[in-house]
Amino acid sequence: DGGITQSPKYLFRKEGQNVTLSCEQNLNHDAMYWYRQDPGQGLRLIYYSQIVNDFQKGDIAEGYSVSREKKESFPLTVTSAQKNPTAFYLCASSKDFLAGVYNEQFFGPGTRLTVL
Amino acid sequence: DAKTTQPPSMDCAEGRAANLPCNHSTISGNEYVYWYRQIHSQGPQYIIHGLKNNETNEMASLIITEDRKSSTLILPHATLRDTAVYYCIVRVSSNYQLIWGAGTKLIIKP
Repeated sequence: DGGITQSPKYLFRKEGQNVTLSCEQNLNHDAMYWYRQDPGQGLRLIYYSQIVNDFQKGDIAEGYSVSREKKESFPLTVTSAQKNPTAFYLCASSKDFLAGVYNEQFFGPGTRLTVL
Repeated sequence: DAKTTQPPSMDCAEGRAANLPCNHSTISGNEYVYWYRQIHSQGPQYIIHGLKNNETNEMASLIITEDRKSSTLILPHATLRDTAVYYCIVRVSSNYQLIWGAGTKLIIKP
């Protein structure tokens, strides 16, 4: 089955530790995205990547880092510099960048990160 | 800075049409109207999008007013599985991304 996988579903970390969230897609999509969602709110864009080896900051990139070494993978690292890391993190992809803008983004199931 | 206004919650009876309103009075001429929905603790799912004309697909219909200042998403025969938060999104920011508001929580009742 084609789709986007995020693992794990739930993640717990101690304050001050960096943590990396996984996102893999087998849809052969060029563009990938990371969003953060806080309770009762909409999604906010953290980073996006239009193509392999390229990525751009979104609206709330501070305290996060990403890499795009492979087309299928777009891992997100939540660093200790992120002041409020506890949130629901969603990864998405689209066929290409403009497809994501003017048509459809496909979302993974999300990772709920709790920092203790 | 979301450019849309939606009611925070709505109820609808199972089998009836669910009509979800959205106001976007400051929409620009080249901005599309998108609808996504999110079932609890899952990733959002694309429903439909449009620019000026009304649109229909297998999931829903999108009715956009002539002045484009508001729109309505119609789920023709709502089922219990349609219970979700529905997001109306019209803003494409300077980096061509979607800006999400808080959405409408739609509850389908048996």
